[in-house]
Amino acid sequence: DADVTQTPRNRITKTGKRIMLECSQTKGHDRMYWYRQDPGLGLRLIYYSFDVKDINKGEISDGYSVSRQAQAKFSLSLESAIPNQTALYFCATSDKAQRGTNEQFFGPGTRLTVL
Amino acid sequence: SQKIEQNSEALNIQEGKTATLTCNYTNYSPAYLQWYRQDPGRGPVFLLLIRENEKEKRKERLKVTFDTTLKQSLFHITASQPADSATYLCALAWDDYKLSFGAGTTVTVRA
Repeated sequence: DADVTQTPRNRITKTGKRIMLECSQTKGHDRMYWYRQDPGLGLRLIYYSFDVKDINKGEISDGYSVSRQAQAKFSLSLESAIPNQTALYFCATSDKAQRGTNEQFFGPGTRLTVL
Repeated sequence: SQKIEQNSEALNIQEGKTATLTCNYTNYSPAYLQWYRQDPGRGPVFLLLIRENEKEKRKERLKVTFDTTLKQSLFHITASQPADSATYLCALAWDDYKLSFGAGTTVTVRA
């Protein structure tokens, strides 16, 4: 869905490196999310943001940080990457006006490999 | 903590048959439950939502049921087609802003 874009799409990095994954959306949604997906574990929530000044930790935030630069942009950083952060990362958005549904719109994902 | 389990095995079915996927959860029931479709190399796409006070929802060839006594949702794809081949994720919501996802079930429809 071109409404939610993620860069880069693929990244290989080394242990200890700092890396940033970026997400942009044109849907005008106020809520944005970062998930990681691992085989057999499903999607797990890392961080979520209701607006530029409201950022919250998800279930697996250790080792990650985020920045909501604008309503349309939400970045995920790995300050010092480690191999068990190798995963598929997804950004998603939802519209708080759609209360009681929380239908989420996902980006295409970033495949991150930490050597 | 809540645990969400989907069919542990991949599902292989013949075109035209009905695929039935399960999503089981522990502890207390969510306010609503969603199903998403995910194709290889792409992000999940929302399909259907069913609330805790609803028994069944339909959308074209898709049907979802929700049994809070059994703590289970069933997802049916009727008259399946090869284009239905994908991974299907269930997602549970206990509040209005966070979802908890199952690991997904991969469906392959043979022509």
